[in-house]
Amino acid sequence: DVKVTQSSRYLVKRTGEKVFLECVQDMDHENMFWYRQDPGLGLRLIYFSYDVKMKEKGDIPEGYSVSREKKERFSLILESASTNQTSMYLCASSVIRVGTEEAFFGQGTRLTVV
Amino acid sequence: DQQVKQNSPSLSVQEGRISILNCDYTNSMFDYFLWYKKYPAEGPTFLISISSIKDKNEDGRFTVFLNKSAKHLSLHIVPSQPGDSAVYFCAARSTRSWGKLQFGAGTQVVVTP
Repeated sequence: DVKVTQSSRYLVKRTGEKVFLECVQDMDHENMFWYRQDPGLGLRLIYFSYDVKMKEKGDIPEGYSVSREKKERFSLILESASTNQTSMYLCASSVIRVGTEEAFFGQGTRLTVV
Repeated sequence: DQQVKQNSPSLSVQEGRISILNCDYTNSMFDYFLWYKKYPAEGPTFLISISSIKDKNEDGRFTVFLNKSAKHLSLHIVPSQPGDSAVYFCAARSTRSWGKLQFGAGTQVVVTP
């Protein structure tokens, strides 16, 4: 079974704090993604990585950065947390292979910024 | 600019009847479409997918239909069961985009007894 594990289920942080969200996958997938889910907006891509040390901006990268030093780990960093970053954050991983296209998601981190 | 749209935020259906969820897309480069199911406080789980070279894919109670000319796909659940109550997300990707998925806003399905 593919497993994508996010380090925290729930987090409460203060405005201005630097926040780290960690994600680990155990299937040797090349691709890893960070999404946020907000009501009425679905899942929006923040950043993704297709290889170690490689990263690409998604649709809403402002206020975020990422780090991928090892293939299995992808970290999302909120440089200075703000209340509009209160959201559900979802990490995913995938491999591009003919006939195998789905991404596997972690359980999510509910972040509240106060 | 949302490239994948689910215009029905919610759907209520009676147990045993058919649930039909709709999804429209605007990017003609999309070549693979997926449906995900999500329960509260959990990550989305993959349900079913379809390649752009097909117009139908079936897996048990779930069938996805693709109409490329209309840029429209739908998910049929027959028969609907109480455990199907969840949020369903339509997603799409193109081969050129490193596997990035574009998601719709989701449809909340409630199956009533």
